[in-house]
Amino acid sequence: DIQMTQSPSTLSASVGDRVTITCRASQSISSWLAWYQQKPGKAPKLLIYKASSLESGVPSRFSGSGSGTEFTLTISSLQPDDFATYYCQQYNSYWGGTFGQGTKVEIK
Amino acid sequence: EVQLVESGGGLVQPGRSLRLSCAASGFTFDDYAMHWVRQAPGKGLEWVSGISWNSGSIGYADSVKGRFTISRDNAKNSLYLQMNSLRAEDTALYYCAKQTLHTDAFDIWGQGTMVTVSS
Repeated sequence: DIQMTQSPSTLSASVGDRVTITCRASQSISSWLAWYQQKPGKAPKLLIYKASSLESGVPSRFSGSGSGTEFTLTISSLQPDDFATYYCQQYNSYWGGTFGQGTKVEIK
Repeated sequence: EVQLVESGGGLVQPGRSLRLSCAASGFTFDDYAMHWVRQAPGKGLEWVSGISWNSGSIGYADSVKGRFTISRDNAKNSLYLQMNSLRAEDTALYYCAKQTLHTDAFDIWGQGTMVTVSS
């Protein structure tokens, strides 16, 4: 099974900061990676698919990069609405897709 | 409006069964693969099961294989999860999610239905 490891687990940042979250796969997944945002009490929301493609309606301050085993989600200028937990998900496997353990972005 | 609405959760004793449902609207249900994803209280996301558009291909996480059964009724725009031999570790919020056609990410999620397994 493919394992996904996110870092850091928690990140403290201020409004306007540039934030980067890393996701590593235990084996190559090409570009089959998605990023989701989840706020307390809400369902996850798709932000990025295929490692670097921005989902429709998602602000352009979100971007994704990487391929193979190492990926990053970058928020270019953190906004108050961005404080949330972020998950990566690989979907290289034939079915489903392993999620990372999550990165909580907190107010500094 | 594209929408997924889960139902059927509740409190159940260990070893008993429960059936979850997910009603889809606002899109052509039988065009898309569908999934169940769960989240234990205070924990991360765990993929549970997925089913192709025509039920011809199905997958399960190892943690539920042999106990859970996913199915769909395209005529009713509905997805189901039959959960048998429930364990305390199955306690979670269960989401249904729609898979995109060309990217395989999950672009639409329901609000979730809570399953609590406890005596």
